[in-house]
Amino acid sequence: GEQVEQLPSSLIVQEGASVLINCSYTDSASVYFPWYKQEPGKRLQFIIDIRSNMERKQTQRLTLLFDKKTKHLSLHITATQPGDSAIYFCSASNSAGNKLTFGIGTRVLVRP
Amino acid sequence: EAAVTQSPRNKVAVTGGKVTLSCNQTNNHNNMYWYRQDTGHGLRLIHYSYGAGSTEKGDIPDGYKASRPSQENFSLILELATPSQTSVYFCASGETGGANEQYFGPGTRLTVL
Repeated sequence: GEQVEQLPSSLIVQEGASVLINCSYTDSASVYFPWYKQEPGKRLQFIIDIRSNMERKQTQRLTLLFDKKTKHLSLHITATQPGDSAIYFCSASNSAGNKLTFGIGTRVLVRP
Repeated sequence: EAAVTQSPRNKVAVTGGKVTLSCNQTNNHNNMYWYRQDTGHGLRLIHYSYGAGSTEKGDIPDGYKASRPSQENFSLILELATPSQTSVYFCASGETGGANEQYFGPGTRLTVL
């Protein structure tokens, strides 16, 4: 089955700096890649997604890049704020969309 | 706003006991999911459902049963709880018709002693 890997597992940045989270997957049948954010003690919250027919998607301070050939994604967060402190999860789904496979998450701490 | 609720929010159970975790969604989504979250594993899919009366096995179904009596409700049942099932459990709902985002509940922290 699909396997999703995320790196790094954790990172600490100063407020205002940028963050880069890398994600790779194994199943070439995966076509949909949503990312979720989980603040401490809270539910997972959708933040951005990309489909396999795209290479780049941007919303506000988030940029998601997708390389189908290498099965690799990267999430770039710019101008970080303390409210960005959370665990970020990469996930992958096939076209049926009935099952998401998650990475183990990247814990981001933004210091004021 | 999407709304997925779970009950109870916290549960302490004894080994060998029966535990039922409940999930309710008001999104009118056909698909519902149960995950568990453990350190070092991220979220793993236990069971999911395409609609009332349907349940499907996810990636780690052993030791768990699921029930979908209606569009709104999806339950996860641990017939004989074990300490290895101590975890945080999340329910989610999502639309059908292709890959779409899922909406998550607040989670249930289950401790099996």
